[in-house]
Amino acid sequence: EVNLVESGGGLVKPGGSLRLSCAASGVNFVSDTINWVRQAPGNGLQWVSTIRHGGSIIHYADSVKGRFTISRDHSQNTVYLQMNSLRAEDTAVYYCSRVGFRDWGQGTLVAVSS
Amino acid sequence: DIRMTQSPYSLSASVGDRVTVVCQASQDVSNYVNWYQQKPGKAPKVLIYDGSNLETGVPSRFSGSGSGTRFTFTIQSLQPEDIATYYCQQHDDLPYTFGPGTRLEIE
Repeated sequence: EVNLVESGGGLVKPGGSLRLSCAASGVNFVSDTINWVRQAPGNGLQWVSTIRHGGSIIHYADSVKGRFTISRDHSQNTVYLQMNSLRAEDTAVYYCSRVGFRDWGQGTLVAVSS
Repeated sequence: DIRMTQSPYSLSASVGDRVTVVCQASQDVSNYVNWYQQKPGKAPKVLIYDGSNLETGVPSRFSGSGSGTRFTFTIQSLQPEDIATYYCQQHDDLPYTFGPGTRLEIE
């Protein structure tokens, strides 16, 4: 059974940084396309970033471009989302997903507040 | 960006009813539309992928159809456990975009 587990969320001040992790078990997702999607409290879903082809192709939503960096560690079977210059509007539950958005983790909450 | 609109925004139906949600894309997305069910405090769960494919383990009362710009999601016989918000999403073109959601309640 495939299991995705996000971690690394927490409370951070505006301008601060966090690194989220998406760890996979039950599958070696070295070649999988992995996506990050977020959901602000009480709001809908927003795509954030995608990494494909082992990391050679990366995409970002305009709202996070230049502040967030997606990467992967094949040896750890983990994908990361480094989030810098965080803003209040980045407050959300962050989910990772794979395989055309068919598998999702349980999410990790990021709260940006002074 | 491709805009995904859903209708209705919310609906109330009775157990056993047939429920339909329509998702309209602002441009052709082929069949690259997924439908998700999300319950409070939980991650989205894919029910239908790529337009009409039922995800493994999902009850057959759920179905999806459509291609191009118009997509339909149907629950054939509504059950109490189907109370949730339902989202459509296109994953044909970046940025991938979601519909605003349809909140389903039981009468």
